[in-house]
Amino acid sequence: DAGITQSPRHKVTETGTPVTLRCHQTENHRYMYWYRQDPGHGLRLIHYSYGVKDTDKGEVSDGYSVSRSKTEDFLLTLESATSSQTSVYFCAISGNIDEQYFGPGTRLTVT
Amino acid sequence: KQEVTQIPAALSVPEGENLVLNCSFTDSAIYNLQWFRQDPGKGLTSLLLIQSSQREQTSGRLNASLDKSSGRSTLYIAASQPGDSATYLCAVRGTGNQFYFGTGTSLTVIP
Repeated sequence: DAGITQSPRHKVTETGTPVTLRCHQTENHRYMYWYRQDPGHGLRLIHYSYGVKDTDKGEVSDGYSVSRSKTEDFLLTLESATSSQTSVYFCAISGNIDEQYFGPGTRLTVT
Repeated sequence: KQEVTQIPAALSVPEGENLVLNCSFTDSAIYNLQWFRQDPGKGLTSLLLIQSSQREQTSGRLNASLDKSSGRSTLYIAASQPGDSATYLCAVRGTGNQFYFGTGTSLTVIP
């Protein structure tokens, strides 16, 4: 299995609070991605990174920000959590035109 | 924007049957196509990756084909087993280094 970990694995938070999810890889891959998975929508890309300090928006980026200060870490921040951000969040990594590998996911509930 | 469709959304077959899962995409300008398996409550496991220059890939009882010009891929599973029960997802990697996912086919193999 590719070396990808996500933390926390489960989180319950209140509306309006900031939340940060962490993705850590040991594969030294260039690309890192954050997705959310919701019933009926499949996986949707939130943000991705193509190098340290290089990030770009995906199709559902509103309300989210990301940072990548080291190759191995990619952080996703919900600036002010809303109930619509209750979801399962997956991190993924890939090389240049290689396969994409996924982390185990973080289940986030916003009450 | 790339649109990825998987039909059917759900499929139930008796053990031992050969089956085909379908994936279609609207923009043929892709780098690769990847098939994944997802078990309930789990992350995604990569099954097969087909580069845009390839026509098919095989791994054990799985065979995936790619027809870029028609925007279609199929995943063939031979001699299905109850352990094959899962949701199968396809994803295409576009020229913008983003991945686009279908909503998946939920497969149940009946013993």
